[in-house]
Amino acid sequence: LAKTTQPISMDSYEGQEVNITCSHNNIATNDYITWYQQFPSQGPRFIIQGYKTKVTNEVASLFIPADRKSSTLSLPRVSLSDTAVYYCLVGVAFYNQGGKLIFGQGTELSVKP
Amino acid sequence: ETGVTQTPRHLVMGMTNKKSLKCEQHLGHNAMYWYKQSAKKPLELMFVYSLEERVENNSVPSRFSPECPNSSHLFLHLHTLQPEDSALYLCASSQKWTSAAENSPLHFGNGTRLTVT
Repeated sequence: LAKTTQPISMDSYEGQEVNITCSHNNIATNDYITWYQQFPSQGPRFIIQGYKTKVTNEVASLFIPADRKSSTLSLPRVSLSDTAVYYCLVGVAFYNQGGKLIFGQGTELSVKP
Repeated sequence: ETGVTQTPRHLVMGMTNKKSLKCEQHLGHNAMYWYKQSAKKPLELMFVYSLEERVENNSVPSRFSPECPNSSHLFLHLHTLQPEDSALYLCASSQKWTSAAENSPLHFGNGTRLTVT
């Protein structure tokens, strides 16, 4: 089962680059890696998704090593508004884990002035 | 604007009440989901609908009853709830209920904050 492990919390300052690493040692061949961001009292928002190597969009970059057993979400030059919980998910929705897409505890990122 | 709209945003109900949560997606997606998020806990999947057919029921008590009349609308009917059912209920949609080698990110609404008294 493709369980994920990520730090419970991280602190940063405005303008810094933040890297959040997620471990997924049991990732399966068909699994994708997806990251979501959630603000308090809102639903999670899709940030980025990848399968291998590097993916970049206007919000973040996702680095995936060749063995795919981990991934790193990189947020360039964070601002206060990036304070949120970040979730790493691995799998094909409703195909792994007995047909369930599992959200973990996430990483609570706090950006300070 | 997320493309997924949930109403109401807040709901307070007694244990003997009957209420319904509504979700509407404007993204042309074919799959819709209900998740429950309790305080300081991960999101829990409750139900999945694909093309209006329920494909997943994650051992949810019968006091929660979903309904999917079409691919754009999803309801969660609530009756005789317990205080421990108080939570943020999130609706999501995706292009399709995925199968192997495919993936389809979830798009969430902002949820209904439910308080059961």
